[in-house]
Amino acid sequence: KAGVTQTPRYLIKTRGQQVTLSCSPISGHRSVSWYQQTPGQGLQFLFEYFSETQRNKGNFPGRFSGRQFSNSRSEMNVSTLELGDSALYLCASSSSRPSYEQYFGPGTRLTVT
Amino acid sequence: AQSVAQPEDQVNVAEGNPLTVKCTYSVSGNPYLFWYVQYPNRGLQFLLKYITGDNLVKGSYGFEAEFNKSQTSFHLKKPSALVSDSALYFCAVRDPGRQTGANNLFFGTGTRLTVIP
Repeated sequence: KAGVTQTPRYLIKTRGQQVTLSCSPISGHRSVSWYQQTPGQGLQFLFEYFSETQRNKGNFPGRFSGRQFSNSRSEMNVSTLELGDSALYLCASSSSRPSYEQYFGPGTRLTVT
Repeated sequence: AQSVAQPEDQVNVAEGNPLTVKCTYSVSGNPYLFWYVQYPNRGLQFLLKYITGDNLVKGSYGFEAEFNKSQTSFHLKKPSALVSDSALYFCAVRDPGRQTGANNLFFGTGTRLTVIP
């Protein structure tokens, strides 16, 4: 099976702009979670989507949003970018079986200047 | 509230020696615990998990972890370290209080393992 794919891998944006990141889960996986990884804050949960519905949300401002499509692909959007949004954004997918393992993509490195 | 602590930012071990990466947790109820590894410029790779059952869990690449409820610990171990094990290791806990199936993980701050040839 192909793994979790994320596009783009690298992105440079300017403060105030918005950005959309994409994640394709492993085939058959219906749950997609997003995490932000920074040197200062570590790995933090953003949100999770399951069957096109947001099932869980972390403690991030409303500038961070996401959605999931009927084919389980997911996108996350960050509006009005701030310098502090520079991070590695990781997407993870898991099956609907209660195994709880999440499989991570390689991440999108976002740099805000 | 749930939390995970990895008390060591850095662990150095000689190749061939046993290694231990420490993790302690704090959750209400029974924890679901995980170890992940991250290589440079890569995402996280799943190593092993404890949900229930035997306290000693075996995972990928020869790693194992011991769940100790009384000490609220879940240390990662390997009998003989390889240079290729050098990476960043994360312990994580899933909040069992969340709705069934919800997949939010709380991660520790990570421990950088360096295996010296």
